[in-house]
Amino acid sequence: EAGVTQFPSHSVIEKGQTVTLRCDPISGHDNLYWYRRVMGKEIKFLLHFVKESKQDESGMPNNRFLAERTGGTYSTLKVQPAELEDSGVYFCASSPSSLEAFFGQGTRLTVV
Amino acid sequence: EDQVTQSPEALRLQEGESSSLNCSYTVSGLRGLFWYRQDPGKGPEFLFTLYSAGEEKEKERLKATLTKKESFLHITAPKPEDSATYLCAVSGDYKLSFGAGTTVTVRA
Repeated sequence: EAGVTQFPSHSVIEKGQTVTLRCDPISGHDNLYWYRRVMGKEIKFLLHFVKESKQDESGMPNNRFLAERTGGTYSTLKVQPAELEDSGVYFCASSPSSLEAFFGQGTRLTVV
Repeated sequence: EDQVTQSPEALRLQEGESSSLNCSYTVSGLRGLFWYRQDPGKGPEFLFTLYSAGEEKEKERLKATLTKKESFLHITAPKPEDSATYLCAVSGDYKLSFGAGTTVTVRA
């Protein structure tokens, strides 16, 4: 069974540009989460989808971040426009039951 | 707000030298305490879920235990392939609150 897949694995963009991260969850997992680790800090929650609905986006830093989940399948996280402090590793996770979460390998975003 | 503190930050072990990692937590209504392993450049890999005080789970050389205030991850007779960062997380609802992790290095 395929795990959680994230694209791209690395992205380097200039300040002010737009970047879109993609996550393909484990098939059949209704719950999808985005987390982020910035340098030197713990992994922090960003938001939670159940199927295509946003259940909680309390961790989203500001309105430059937009997450969508098309048809309850894959999800995208867009950052527009990117700022230097957005640099970090973005993780996606999925879960069948909102308990154990299975993580992807992450996307390392560098804003220069 | 849920809080997780892990200690030590780093642990260097000789192969075969058993040790324990600590995870102290505060949470409103624990739904689960989770242990993950993370290798460099990879995402967290799920190891265990503990639900209530007194519970224990084992996987190969790893054993996780839980009390009302903390969890321990015991590594018995570690091998170099056990080198990784071990993350503890708690959930009071559906989202995880992570600690900073303990980086374990096992020398042959």
